[in-house]
Amino acid sequence: AQTVTQSQPEMSVQEAETVTLSCTYDTSESDYYLFWYKQPPSRQMILVIRQEAYKQQNATENRFSVNFQKAAKSFSLKISDSQLGDAAMYFCAYRSGLGGNEKLTFGTGTRLTIIP
Amino acid sequence: DTGVSQDPRHKITKRGQNVTFRCDPISEHNRLYWYRQTLGQGPEFLTYFQNEAQLEKSRLLSDRFSAERPKGSFSTLEIQRTEQGDSAMYLCASSLLGTGNTIYFGEGSWLTVV
Repeated sequence: AQTVTQSQPEMSVQEAETVTLSCTYDTSESDYYLFWYKQPPSRQMILVIRQEAYKQQNATENRFSVNFQKAAKSFSLKISDSQLGDAAMYFCAYRSGLGGNEKLTFGTGTRLTIIP
Repeated sequence: DTGVSQDPRHKITKRGQNVTFRCDPISEHNRLYWYRQTLGQGPEFLTYFQNEAQLEKSRLLSDRFSAERPKGSFSTLEIQRTEQGDSAMYLCASSLLGTGNTIYFGEGSWLTVV
């Protein structure tokens, strides 16, 4: 079974600074997808960024980028120019690339606080 | 596109009562998922549907839980004889058919069993 580990329960960053959230995962599969989801206090989970395991290039979405290290099974999220609206719980998630195995496996989350 | 909607958003019930949650997925999304999330934890997979067929159920889904998606559109999650341990956020999500397609979540239904 796949597992996802987020070792940082809480992180804080000064507004406009950069912060990196860590995620490691365990799998024996070679084809899979990795995601970072954001869950603000309103509780709706929002997709931040996704990475296909077969792609060597790290995904980027505006101020959000990932450092995907497949051999190390590491998938960290970097948030640049942090904004107050970035405050939320951030969840790392894994999804198998095998057809028929559709569920997301989540980590326990990292609570990000933005300091004005 | 109004997103995934869930109803009710909050439910307080006495132990032993039955509760039902409804989820309306994004229009034309074939797949519908249910997850459970407790405080301080990430969501845990419960079950998913492809159209009206329930294709996978987690071991977390005890006999007291039943989910349906009768016409391949909305879904219901019923919990019978609720227990205090059932208190959690129940999240619904949907996606289009296809491996790797983005899964979109609703705002969740928060259940408190007293």
